[in-house]
Amino acid sequence: NAGVTQTPKFQVLKTGQSMTLQCAQDMNHEYMSWYRQDPGMGLRLIHYSVGAGITDQGEVPNGYNVSRSTTEDFPLRLLSAAPSQTSVYFCASTDRGALRYTQYFGPGTRLTVL
Amino acid sequence: GQQVMQIPQYQHVQEGEDFTTYCNSSTTLSNIQWYKQRPGGHPVFLIQLVKSGEVKKQKRLTFQFGEAKKNSSLHITATQTTDVGTYFCAGMSGEYGNKLVFGAGTILRVKS
Repeated sequence: NAGVTQTPKFQVLKTGQSMTLQCAQDMNHEYMSWYRQDPGMGLRLIHYSVGAGITDQGEVPNGYNVSRSTTEDFPLRLLSAAPSQTSVYFCASTDRGALRYTQYFGPGTRLTVL
Repeated sequence: GQQVMQIPQYQHVQEGEDFTTYCNSSTTLSNIQWYKQRPGGHPVFLIQLVKSGEVKKQKRLTFQFGEAKKNSSLHITATQTTDVGTYFCAGMSGEYGNKLVFGAGTILRVKS
């Protein structure tokens, strides 16, 4: 049981390049999310999904796309990287139940855009 | 502006001293959660509080949810070097679209 896995761990991009951050979970959770973490700003929600085929925008969605073709995978795509997207990106999988909402975070991807 | 405010931003304590971080929401919360992130690591779920006035303990950690369900606190008694990291609160509310909104976090450093 690996939990939530993310690849790559580190990435350097040039302005204008595109890339996909991978996220996978093996806990059969329907709900998954992408966050970015910047100093002094906590974790901000980029996009989330409540199940395969269903995605929605979070607080800071501009410049990012997501898709959810399977329960396990939830990739995040940067369309045209900008220096403002330099951040640490965390994928989270949520265990939802009666009065329960526990988020399990992946190890993160540290992205630098030059 | 930030919907979930967390203070202090940073705290440096001597090992054995107590530590408290506070979280305040601009709206009534259905629940509040606390996470710990070690340096270079990822956030790890600590606890969830749901009821007004709820108090929960985990060894040296005490978590409280305010009577109005708009504020919460995490208190660590007799800090140890293993307590270092960033502590985040995260609140859920219908006014937030039933999504978690994270505070900015409190960074705790412990001097031995």
